[in-house]
Amino acid sequence: AQTVTQSQPEMSVQEAETVTLSCTYDTSESDYYLFWYKQPPSRQMILVIRQEAYKQQNATENRFSVNFQKAAKSFSLKISDSQLGDAAMYFCAYRSAGGNQFYFGTGTSLTVIP
Amino acid sequence: DAGVTQSPTHLIKTRGQHVTLRCSPISGHKSVSWYQQVLGQGPQFIFQYYEKEERGRGNFPDRFSARQFPNYSSELNVNALLLGDSALYLCASSSPSGGPLQETQYFGPGTRLLVL
Repeated sequence: AQTVTQSQPEMSVQEAETVTLSCTYDTSESDYYLFWYKQPPSRQMILVIRQEAYKQQNATENRFSVNFQKAAKSFSLKISDSQLGDAAMYFCAYRSAGGNQFYFGTGTSLTVIP
Repeated sequence: DAGVTQSPTHLIKTRGQHVTLRCSPISGHKSVSWYQQVLGQGPQFIFQYYEKEERGRGNFPDRFSARQFPNYSSELNVNALLLGDSALYLCASSSPSGGPLQETQYFGPGTRLLVL
């Protein structure tokens, strides 16, 4: 089974600064999708950004960008110009192209310091 | 458009009881997945349904069952509740139209189940 590892249980960042959250995964497949989800204290999981493994270009969504290193099986999330509303639990997730389930990491709790 | 909705929001049960959780997907979505999220952990896959058929099952005991209705809403049933079933149960739906959006799941707010 695929595994997703988030080695940073907690991270903090000063408001307006940049922070990078790490994620690694283990798979023998070549075609898959990777996601970052945000879960604020109100608990609804929100999609932040997604990356198709066949694309070499790193995905970007406004202040959020990823560094996708397929050979290293690494998928980090960079948050630029951090805002107070970015404070949440962030989950990295994997889904194979031919599969039907998501595999989630254990999450990174991000605190934004005013 | 309404997002994924789940009911109830909170539930308290005792060991041995049965529980039914409900989920309505985003309008037009035909696939529904269920996840269990224990406090401090990431969500764990339980089931996926597409067009009323089970398309995937995670490593959960037979006490867990689900079904999907013609309107694509879904129910998750758990029998003989154990203390360890206490968790946030998340429902997610995905688009049926193919393409990149098909691979993305959109989550509901969850049902918090406490088993005493």
